[in-house]
Amino acid sequence: AQTVTQSQPEMSVQEAETVTLSCTYDTSESDYYLFWYKQPPSRQMILVIRQEAYKQQNATENRFSVNFQKAAKSFSLKISDSQLGDAAMYFCAYRSGRETSGSRLTFGEGTQLTVNP
Amino acid sequence: DTGVSQDPRHKITKRGQNVTFRCDPISEHNRLYWYRQTLGQGPEFLTYFQNEAQLEKSRLLSDRFSAERPKGSFSTLEIQRTEQGDSAMYLCASSLTGLRTDTQYFGPGTRLTVL
Repeated sequence: AQTVTQSQPEMSVQEAETVTLSCTYDTSESDYYLFWYKQPPSRQMILVIRQEAYKQQNATENRFSVNFQKAAKSFSLKISDSQLGDAAMYFCAYRSGRETSGSRLTFGEGTQLTVNP
Repeated sequence: DTGVSQDPRHKITKRGQNVTFRCDPISEHNRLYWYRQTLGQGPEFLTYFQNEAQLEKSRLLSDRFSAERPKGSFSTLEIQRTEQGDSAMYLCASSLTGLRTDTQYFGPGTRLTVL
């Protein structure tokens, strides 16, 4: 079974600075997808960024980028120019690429990000 | 394009009562998922549907839990004889197959409190 680990329960960053959230995962599969979701205090989960394992290029979405290290099974999220609205719980998630494995997402425990003005 | 909606947003019930939650997915999304999230934890997968067929169920889904998706549109999740351990946020998500990534979009959740 796949597992996802987020070793930082809490992180804080000053507004306008950069912060990196860590995520590692364990899998024996070669085809899979990785996601970062954001869950603000209102509790609705929002997709931040996604990465296909077969792509070597790291995904980027505006101020959000990932560092995907497939051999190390590491998938960190970098937030540049942090804004107050970035404050939320961030979850790393894994999905198998095999149809027979279904479409379930396996989530990490989450990292609570605080942005200080 | 409206997002995933869930009803009710909050439910308080007494132990032993039955409760039912509803999820309306993004229109045209053929996959629908249920997750459970306890405080301070990541969501845990419960079950998912492709159209009206329930294709996978987690071992977390005890026989007190049942989910349906008649006609492949909205879905309901029923919990019978609720227990205090059922208190959690129940999240629904939907996705569209055919796109390689099959990204799941989440609803706001239903918070269940069992007294």
